[in-house]
Amino acid sequence: AQKVTQAQTEISVVEKEDVTLDCVYETRDTTYYLFWYKQPPSGELVFLIRRNSFDEQNEISGRYSWNFQKSTSSFNFTITASQVVDSAVYFCALSGNPRDNYGQNFVFGPGTRLSVLP
Amino acid sequence: KAGVTQTPRYLIKTRGQQVTLSCSPISGHRSVSWYQQTPGQGLQFLFEYFSETQRNKGNFPGRFSGRQFSNSRSEMNVSTLELGDSALYLCASSSPRGQGNGANVLTFGAGSRLTVL
Repeated sequence: AQKVTQAQTEISVVEKEDVTLDCVYETRDTTYYLFWYKQPPSGELVFLIRRNSFDEQNEISGRYSWNFQKSTSSFNFTITASQVVDSAVYFCALSGNPRDNYGQNFVFGPGTRLSVLP
Repeated sequence: KAGVTQTPRYLIKTRGQQVTLSCSPISGHRSVSWYQQTPGQGLQFLFEYFSETQRNKGNFPGRFSGRQFSNSRSEMNVSTLELGDSALYLCASSSPRGQGNGANVLTFGAGSRLTVL
């Protein structure tokens, strides 16, 4: 069975601090995909990144960076110089390789609520 | 282009009633998935539709059902509402990709927040 664990339920930081959100996953698939989504207070989940299991290169996008380590089954997300607008719930998700032309079941972690204080 | 549109955004029902929620996917997206989000259970997969057919189903009782129309719009229905059905119901659409082209990115709507009294 697939499982995603986000051990940090809530994190509070002061603006401009760096913060890392942890994500650990379990899967028996050899090909799988990892995602991060952001859910601001408005409720809509916003896609941030997708990674496949064969691409372990870290990625940086502005103040966001992701560290994928297959050896430890982790896909951590770091926000550098956090801002108040980063306050949201962040979800890590796992998906198996789609078996056909349409979608697939996503397994979401429980989410980490990040509060960035001014 | 327009995003995923869910209606209504908020609704209040009483136990025993039924409810229908609507989702209009992004133009060109033919796959629609539904998720239930509650504080206790987090995000849980309900079902997925593609080409008017249910392709995947989560572990929910038969009171939860859905359908998809020829224009890819989808509805979900919950009958005989229970207090525990109070939740944010999220719809997501995705563009079909051929096998081997990688996992689909889900684009979510803002959700329908259901309160059952």
